[in-house]
Amino acid sequence: NAGVTQTPKFRVLKTGQSMTLLCAQDMNHEYMYWYRQDPGMGLRLIHYSVGEGTTAKGEVPDGYNVSRLKKQNFLLGLESAAPSQTSVYFCASSYVYYETQYFGPGTRLLVL
Amino acid sequence: SQQGEEDPQALSIQEGENATMNCSYKTSINNLQWYRQNSGRGLVHLILIRSNEREKHSGRLRVTLDTSKKSSSLLITASRAADTASYFCAPYSGGGADGLTFGKGTHLIIQP
Repeated sequence: NAGVTQTPKFRVLKTGQSMTLLCAQDMNHEYMYWYRQDPGMGLRLIHYSVGEGTTAKGEVPDGYNVSRLKKQNFLLGLESAAPSQTSVYFCASSYVYYETQYFGPGTRLLVL
Repeated sequence: SQQGEEDPQALSIQEGENATMNCSYKTSINNLQWYRQNSGRGLVHLILIRSNEREKHSGRLRVTLDTSKKSSSLLITASRAADTASYFCAPYSGGGADGLTFGKGTHLIIQP
């Protein structure tokens, strides 16, 4: 099992460009999450999904959109990147929402 | 949801020594989880302790929970260089799939 994978590992964007981050899990988990991690801030929840076709806002959703068209995939989109979105993005999944989350390796995004 | 607060923010010890880090939280919990993050990688789940448990072990890890003091501690015995990482606590107080939040972590350095 690959667990949780993220694509790409690293990306540089110019302000105003758009991109999509892909998260895939092979554990048949219902719940999936997108977090961002900034120095000194810990992890903050951007959006999450409680099942295929559903999405919900987390703590810091502004500037991001998500989609969960297939159970195994959770996409995070930036429509118009801003320097404030420079961060490390982590995807996670879980079987039940109140227990163990399994994390991907992260995507480092630099917005110039 | 509530965020746990880890203490200390940073800890440096000699290899072979024991490392103890603490987590405090504000409201009653259903469970509390500890995660480890090695530099540049995703978080890895270590232990989950439920509100009706007082102590839990996993290998060299020992977690305690004191619900009266709203605190938890993580003890790593006989530390190794590979234990160098950031450690995060995540209290879960209910409220749904966005209810698990992560603190800013304790950065542990094991000196050879």
